[in-house]
Amino acid sequence: QSVLTQPPSASGTPGQRVTISCSGSSSNIGSNTVNWYQQLPGTAPKLLIYSNNQRPSGVPDRFSGSKSGTSASLAISGLQSEDEADYYCAAWDDSLNAYVVFGGGTKLTVL
Amino acid sequence: QVQLQESGPGLVKPSQTLSLTCTVSGGSISSGSYYWSWIRQPAGKGLEWIGRIYTSGSTNYNPSLKSRVTISVDTSKNQFSLKLSSVTAADTAVYYCAREGGYYQPFDYWGQGTLVTVSS
Repeated sequence: QSVLTQPPSASGTPGQRVTISCSGSSSNIGSNTVNWYQQLPGTAPKLLIYSNNQRPSGVPDRFSGSKSGTSASLAISGLQSEDEADYYCAAWDDSLNAYVVFGGGTKLTVL
Repeated sequence: QVQLQESGPGLVKPSQTLSLTCTVSGGSISSGSYYWSWIRQPAGKGLEWIGRIYTSGSTNYNPSLKSRVTISVDTSKNQFSLKLSSVTAADTAVYYCAREGGYYQPFDYWGQGTLVTVSS
């Protein structure tokens, strides 16, 4: 059971816009910024979005993030086949000794 | 370009201690305000943060693993290490090392991961 809640799956057709939600609580998303990671099959996760809505260099602007209260979202516009991957949200949690919590991951399928 | 590489035994017996090392190249582990973390992922499941260390030696651990985890750093070798004691089959996972780009910052560099299986 992950501390952050994500839908296990999402799907879309090429060109579509899809969103992936991430729900937390006041001790994690409500207090700290959210980061998103993309994990292509058989590879290590890669930083996709940081500080709620910032893109690292090299990440296409098709990817965007937002946060409101204790929830966050990742949006992918102009969906492409290479976007098929697992997506994880993460945040620091201050409820006990501070530690990082992840969502359970969302498998995105491009139909 | 910073690179991280995990190394260690791929098979550990139940009740024993899992030991892994992460070697950092392309930069000094002591430079900057970076934290160095271990993260694991059981097959087909999500990511779990294990803990992190700063080059001063200060550590933070996941409360669910804290009693069994020790993370240490060897700046002379540009390495940091993980020890997880009293392992069970539930500790079977791909273990990643990663760099945290600063206090409460994201994981910006990751190792490729190494599979550790706990089995007799």
